[in-house]
Amino acid sequence: DQQVKQNSPSLSVQEGRISILNCDYTNSMFDYFLWYKKYPAEGPTFLISISSIKDKNEDGRFTVFLNKSAKHLSLHIVPSQPGDSAVYFCARGETGANNLFFGTGTRLTVIP
Amino acid sequence: NAGVMQNPRHLVRRRGQEARLRCSPMKGHSHVYWYRQLPEEGLKFMVYLQKENIIDESGMPKERFSAEFPKEGPSILRIQQVVRGDSAAYFCASSPKFDEQFFGPGTRLTVL
Repeated sequence: DQQVKQNSPSLSVQEGRISILNCDYTNSMFDYFLWYKKYPAEGPTFLISISSIKDKNEDGRFTVFLNKSAKHLSLHIVPSQPGDSAVYFCARGETGANNLFFGTGTRLTVIP
Repeated sequence: NAGVMQNPRHLVRRRGQEARLRCSPMKGHSHVYWYRQLPEEGLKFMVYLQKENIIDESGMPKERFSAEFPKEGPSILRIQQVVRGDSAAYFCASSPKFDEQFFGPGTRLTVL
């Protein structure tokens, strides 16, 4: 039962352009979503989150959009930088629950 | 303030041996989570612990796997009689309460 889906395993973007990473979910019972960034041989690093009562959250170059009717969220990175090249995971969480449900990740490559 | 620490970073075991993975949470964090990442997959929740208590082990295989978080010392994930299918990256995360989880660098287990 894959509750969170990232259907694009990889994405390549030119430096300076916008990167859009997508995530779909099946279970409407959630409190928040998080995006994590992971470099090879390192653990995931928290990037940005969004609660169920919002439809947008922005932090510097990173913006997350939540479309509850479509059960879809996306992470926008603009402008993209080569250092953004990593695997990005979206994860679903419930307040008071014990674990996060992760997607399979999207590998972003930003081309200089 | 050191981050979440995991050791060893790499562990090689032969089939039938035992694997012990250690996790020291961030200072002040009393919640510890273990996740497993199989190749080409997202992180899958295994177990959630607080000091001296297993709160949720719903993601842990019923046999050969156990976890503890003693009053003193790191959390330990123990895998007995390892099999090739146990080869994966094992990540530990900690949090001060029910919210953002901070991940360690992971232990990459290889079973020969």
